[in-house]
Amino acid sequence: EVQLVETGGGLIQPGGSLRLSCAASGFTVSSNYMSWVRQAPGKGLEWVSVIYSGGATSYADSVKGRFTISRDNSKNTLYLQMNSLRAEDTAVYYCARGGHRNQGVDYWGQGTLVTVSS
Amino acid sequence: DIQMSQSPSSLSASVGDRVTITCRASQGISNYLAWFQQKPGKAPKSLIYAASSLQSGVPSKFSGSGSGTDFTLTISSLQPEDFATYYCQQYSSYPLTFGGGTKVEIK
Repeated sequence: EVQLVETGGGLIQPGGSLRLSCAASGFTVSSNYMSWVRQAPGKGLEWVSVIYSGGATSYADSVKGRFTISRDNSKNTLYLQMNSLRAEDTAVYYCARGGHRNQGVDYWGQGTLVTVSS
Repeated sequence: DIQMSQSPSSLSASVGDRVTITCRASQGISNYLAWFQQKPGKAPKSLIYAASSLQSGVPSKFSGSGSGTDFTLTISSLQPEDFATYYCQQYSSYPLTFGGGTKVEIK
Protein backbone atom coordinates (compact mmCIF):
# COMPACT_ATOMS: atom_id res chain seq x y z
CA GLU A 1 0.00 0.00 0.00
CA VAL A 2 1.31 3.40 -1.00
CA GLN A 3 1.64 5.84 1.90
CA LEU A 4 3.11 9.32 2.21
CA VAL A 5 3.58 10.89 5.64
CA GLU A 6 4.70 14.50 5.97
CA THR A 7 6.34 15.91 9.09
CA GLY A 8 8.25 19.03 10.03
CA GLY A 9 5.64 21.75 9.90
CA GLY A 10 5.16 24.33 12.62
CA LEU A 11 5.26 27.98 13.57
CA ILE A 12 8.30 29.86 12.30
CA GLN A 13 9.23 33.54 12.26
CA PRO A 14 9.60 35.44 8.99
CA GLY A 15 13.09 34.96 7.60
CA GLY A 16 13.46 31.60 9.30
CA SER A 17 14.08 28.13 7.88
CA LEU A 18 12.24 24.84 8.10
CA ARG A 19 12.72 21.41 6.57
CA LEU A 20 9.73 19.27 5.69
CA SER A 21 10.01 15.51 5.33
CA CYS A 22 7.80 13.07 3.48
CA ALA A 23 8.37 9.43 4.37
CA ALA A 24 7.18 7.07 1.67
CA SER A 25 6.23 3.42 1.90
CA GLY A 26 4.90 0.91 -0.60
CA PHE A 27 7.04 2.24 -3.45
CA THR A 28 10.51 3.64 -4.18
CA VAL A 29 10.82 7.43 -4.12
CA SER A 30 13.87 7.50 -6.38
CA SER A 31 12.00 5.66 -9.16
CA ASN A 32 9.22 8.22 -9.28
CA TYR A 33 8.59 11.89 -9.90
CA MET A 34 7.78 13.48 -6.53
CA SER A 35 6.12 16.85 -5.94
CA TRP A 36 5.33 19.33 -3.21
CA VAL A 37 2.01 21.18 -3.43
CA ARG A 38 0.75 23.76 -0.93
CA GLN A 39 -2.56 25.26 0.05
CA ALA A 40 -2.86 28.55 1.88
CA PRO A 41 -5.72 28.77 4.41
CA GLY A 42 -9.02 28.94 2.57
CA LYS A 43 -7.32 29.02 -0.84
CA GLY A 44 -6.73 26.65 -3.74
CA LEU A 45 -3.87 24.33 -4.55
CA GLU A 46 -0.48 25.66 -5.65
CA TRP A 47 2.31 23.53 -7.09
CA VAL A 48 5.67 24.22 -5.41
CA SER A 49 8.34 21.87 -6.74
CA VAL A 50 9.14 18.54 -8.38
CA ILE A 51 12.11 16.20 -8.38
CA TYR A 52 12.51 13.87 -11.30
CA SER A 53 13.38 10.23 -10.95
CA GLY A 54 16.67 11.18 -12.58
CA GLY A 55 17.28 13.88 -9.98
CA ALA A 56 16.51 17.06 -11.93
CA THR A 57 14.35 19.61 -10.17
CA SER A 58 11.91 22.39 -10.98
CA TYR A 59 10.36 25.13 -8.84
CA ALA A 60 7.54 27.64 -8.85
CA ASP A 61 8.81 31.18 -9.33
CA SER A 62 7.38 32.12 -5.92
CA VAL A 63 9.86 29.81 -4.13
CA LYS A 64 12.79 29.63 -6.55
CA GLY A 65 16.06 30.42 -4.81
CA ARG A 66 14.51 29.95 -1.35
CA PHE A 67 13.24 26.34 -1.36
CA THR A 68 15.18 23.18 -2.23
CA ILE A 69 13.65 19.80 -2.97
CA SER A 70 15.73 16.69 -2.36
CA ARG A 71 15.46 13.03 -1.43
CA ASP A 72 17.32 10.45 0.62
CA ASN A 73 17.17 7.18 -1.25
CA SER A 74 18.38 5.17 1.76
CA LYS A 75 15.47 6.49 3.83
CA ASN A 76 12.97 6.54 0.95
CA THR A 77 12.14 10.08 2.01
CA LEU A 78 11.45 13.34 0.17
CA TYR A 79 12.41 16.71 1.64
CA LEU A 80 11.64 20.37 1.17
CA GLN A 81 14.17 22.78 2.67
CA MET A 82 12.51 26.16 3.07
CA ASN A 83 14.66 29.23 3.73
CA SER A 84 13.90 32.94 3.99
CA LEU A 85 10.31 32.15 4.85
CA ARG A 86 7.64 34.79 4.32
CA ALA A 87 4.12 35.22 5.66
CA GLU A 88 2.77 34.27 2.23
CA ASP A 89 4.42 30.84 2.57
CA THR A 90 1.90 29.98 5.29
CA ALA A 91 0.07 26.91 4.03
CA VAL A 92 -0.54 23.22 4.37
CA TYR A 93 2.22 21.48 2.43
CA TYR A 94 1.44 18.18 0.73
CA CYS A 95 3.86 15.78 -0.85
CA ALA A 96 2.56 13.81 -3.80
CA ARG A 97 3.75 11.05 -6.05
CA GLY A 98 3.98 12.19 -9.65
CA GLY A 99 3.98 15.59 -11.28
CA HIS A 100 5.34 15.20 -14.81
CA ARG A 101 4.03 14.36 -18.27
CA ASN A 102 5.32 10.83 -17.75
CA GLN A 103 3.59 10.50 -14.39
CA GLY A 104 0.57 12.40 -13.19
CA VAL A 105 -0.08 12.80 -9.48
CA ASP A 106 -1.77 9.73 -8.06
CA TYR A 107 -1.10 9.66 -4.29
CA TRP A 108 -1.03 12.46 -1.72
CA GLY A 109 0.19 12.71 1.84
CA GLN A 110 -2.01 14.07 4.61
CA GLY A 111 -0.21 17.42 4.69
CA THR A 112 1.73 19.42 7.28
CA LEU A 113 0.92 23.00 8.30
CA VAL A 114 3.58 25.69 8.09
CA THR A 115 2.74 29.01 9.74
CA VAL A 116 5.08 31.93 9.18
CA SER A 117 4.36 34.63 11.72
CA SER A 118 6.08 36.78 14.31
CA ASP B 1 2.56 29.92 -17.55
CA ILE B 2 -0.57 28.00 -18.53
CA GLN B 3 -3.68 29.39 -16.83
CA MET B 4 -6.44 26.96 -15.85
CA SER B 5 -9.96 28.25 -15.38
CA GLN B 6 -12.81 26.22 -13.92
CA SER B 7 -16.51 26.85 -14.09
CA PRO B 8 -18.65 27.15 -12.21
CA SER B 9 -16.78 28.14 -9.07
CA SER B 10 -19.59 26.61 -7.05
CA LEU B 11 -22.81 24.74 -7.66
CA SER B 12 -25.71 23.37 -5.66
CA ALA B 13 -27.07 19.99 -6.61
CA SER B 14 -29.27 17.25 -5.22
CA VAL B 15 -28.48 13.62 -4.54
CA GLY B 16 -28.91 11.73 -7.79
CA ASP B 17 -28.19 14.72 -10.03
CA ARG B 18 -25.77 14.55 -12.93
CA VAL B 19 -23.09 17.20 -12.48
CA THR B 20 -20.61 18.57 -15.02
CA ILE B 21 -17.61 20.78 -14.25
CA THR B 22 -15.63 22.51 -16.97
CA CYS B 23 -11.92 23.28 -17.07
CA ARG B 24 -10.24 25.40 -19.74
CA ALA B 25 -6.52 25.80 -20.38
CA SER B 26 -5.06 29.04 -21.74
CA GLN B 27 -3.14 27.03 -24.35
CA GLY B 28 -3.23 23.49 -25.64
CA ILE B 29 -2.13 20.81 -23.18
CA SER B 30 -3.03 17.70 -25.20
CA ASN B 31 -4.49 15.33 -22.60
CA TYR B 32 -2.15 16.17 -19.71
CA LEU B 33 -5.05 17.00 -17.41
CA ALA B 34 -5.90 15.60 -13.99
CA TRP B 35 -8.88 16.00 -11.67
CA PHE B 36 -8.76 15.93 -7.88
CA GLN B 37 -11.41 15.85 -5.16
CA GLN B 38 -10.86 17.54 -1.80
CA LYS B 39 -13.07 17.41 1.27
CA PRO B 40 -12.76 19.99 4.08
CA GLY B 41 -9.68 19.46 6.21
CA LYS B 42 -8.49 16.54 4.09
CA ALA B 43 -5.80 15.99 1.49
CA PRO B 44 -6.79 15.99 -2.16
CA LYS B 45 -7.65 12.66 -3.73
CA SER B 46 -6.72 11.83 -7.30
CA LEU B 47 -9.68 10.94 -9.51
CA ILE B 48 -8.65 11.14 -13.15
CA TYR B 49 -5.41 11.39 -15.14
CA ALA B 50 -4.72 11.84 -18.84
CA ALA B 51 -8.05 13.68 -19.09
CA SER B 52 -10.20 10.56 -19.09
CA SER B 53 -8.48 7.68 -17.27
CA LEU B 54 -9.79 6.73 -13.85
CA GLN B 55 -7.29 6.30 -11.03
CA SER B 56 -7.34 2.88 -9.41
CA GLY B 57 -10.26 2.46 -7.05
CA VAL B 58 -12.22 5.49 -8.26
CA PRO B 59 -15.86 4.61 -8.98
CA SER B 60 -17.07 4.70 -12.57
CA LYS B 61 -19.67 7.39 -11.77
CA PHE B 62 -16.75 9.80 -12.33
CA SER B 63 -15.73 10.42 -15.92
CA GLY B 64 -13.53 12.89 -17.71
CA SER B 65 -13.30 14.04 -21.27
CA GLY B 66 -11.59 16.58 -23.48
CA SER B 67 -8.32 17.35 -25.18
CA GLY B 68 -6.40 20.45 -26.14
CA THR B 69 -7.90 23.30 -24.14
CA ASP B 70 -11.38 22.20 -23.03
CA PHE B 71 -12.10 19.50 -20.50
CA THR B 72 -15.01 18.26 -18.40
CA LEU B 73 -15.50 16.21 -15.27
CA THR B 74 -18.88 14.52 -14.93
CA ILE B 75 -20.39 12.84 -11.90
CA SER B 76 -23.21 10.68 -13.20
CA SER B 77 -25.32 10.40 -10.05
CA LEU B 78 -24.30 12.61 -7.16
CA GLN B 79 -24.10 10.89 -3.78
CA PRO B 80 -23.64 12.43 -0.31
CA GLU B 81 -19.94 11.48 -0.25
CA ASP B 82 -19.36 13.44 -3.49
CA PHE B 83 -20.00 16.85 -1.95
CA ALA B 84 -16.53 18.37 -2.04
CA THR B 85 -14.31 20.77 -3.97
CA TYR B 86 -12.94 19.61 -7.31
CA TYR B 87 -9.75 20.87 -8.95
CA CYS B 88 -8.30 20.37 -12.38
CA GLN B 89 -4.54 20.48 -12.97
CA GLN B 90 -2.44 20.63 -16.11
CA TYR B 91 0.83 18.70 -16.13
CA SER B 92 1.89 19.47 -19.65
CA SER B 93 4.54 21.98 -18.64
CA TYR B 94 6.06 23.68 -15.62
CA PRO B 95 4.93 25.36 -13.56
CA LEU B 96 2.14 22.86 -13.04
CA THR B 97 -1.05 24.83 -12.52
CA PHE B 98 -4.43 24.19 -10.96
CA GLY B 99 -7.86 25.54 -11.66
CA GLY B 100 -9.44 27.63 -8.94
CA GLY B 101 -11.74 24.82 -7.82
CA THR B 102 -15.43 24.04 -8.00
CA LYS B 103 -17.29 23.59 -4.74
CA VAL B 104 -20.17 21.14 -5.03
CA GLU B 105 -22.74 21.75 -2.33
CA ILE B 106 -25.99 20.13 -1.31
CA LYS B 107 -29.15 21.79 -2.57
